[in-house]
Amino acid sequence: DAMVIQNPRYQVTQFGKPVTLSCSQTLNHNVMYWYQQKSSQAPKLLFHYYDKDFNNEADTPDNFQSRRPNTSFCFLDIRSPGLGDAAMYLCATGPRRDGNQPQHFGDGTRLSIL
Amino acid sequence: GESVGLHLPTLSVQEGDNSIINCAYSNSASDYFIWYKQESGKGPQFIIDIRSNMDKRQGQRVTVLLNKTVKHLSLQIAATQPGDSAVYFCAEIDTGGFKTIFGAGTRLFVKA
Repeated sequence: DAMVIQNPRYQVTQFGKPVTLSCSQTLNHNVMYWYQQKSSQAPKLLFHYYDKDFNNEADTPDNFQSRRPNTSFCFLDIRSPGLGDAAMYLCATGPRRDGNQPQHFGDGTRLSIL
Repeated sequence: GESVGLHLPTLSVQEGDNSIINCAYSNSASDYFIWYKQESGKGPQFIIDIRSNMDKRQGQRVTVLLNKTVKHLSLQIAATQPGDSAVYFCAEIDTGGFKTIFGAGTRLFVKA
């Protein structure tokens, strides 16, 4: 089945140690999104790619960066994780930039900071 | 700023009863609305959507109602089952501005 896959499902890193989360999709969608979701809160958009065009949300910390080497893969890099970055990170895809169809979400990576 | 909000953060219903989850939105430019279901440890899943030129849309056991006059969206689940227990998010989309806004979420508990 076509889907959005996130690896790993659980990631533990040390305070200040860089970490990379990965996302792959078999839907061939143009748009890929990264969200941060803290406990009992709504997903918060960090940034999205429309093809290779990167779009950062205004309030996304500089600590968070992303790479999209090809249509299928997208990475979230956290350069120096702080305790406040512990959260679920969700990757989603969409066929159109205008959001005129539902997004398809992966099951997330839960990031813990020691 | 403009936002999507929910009236009830937690809803508890008896198995077999109907559930109604409400959502208020304030962005008058939003023209597309989606309900997502998020089970524990999983990503949000699409349930049903509605465009602004409609007032009602029905799916399997679910109905979404849109009242543009008062900027209100609701999700009705018929004959609620234990498998419906999850957090439900509404999302409003301004397709002209490429902007999606998620509501705060409502946790639905289904009592057997």
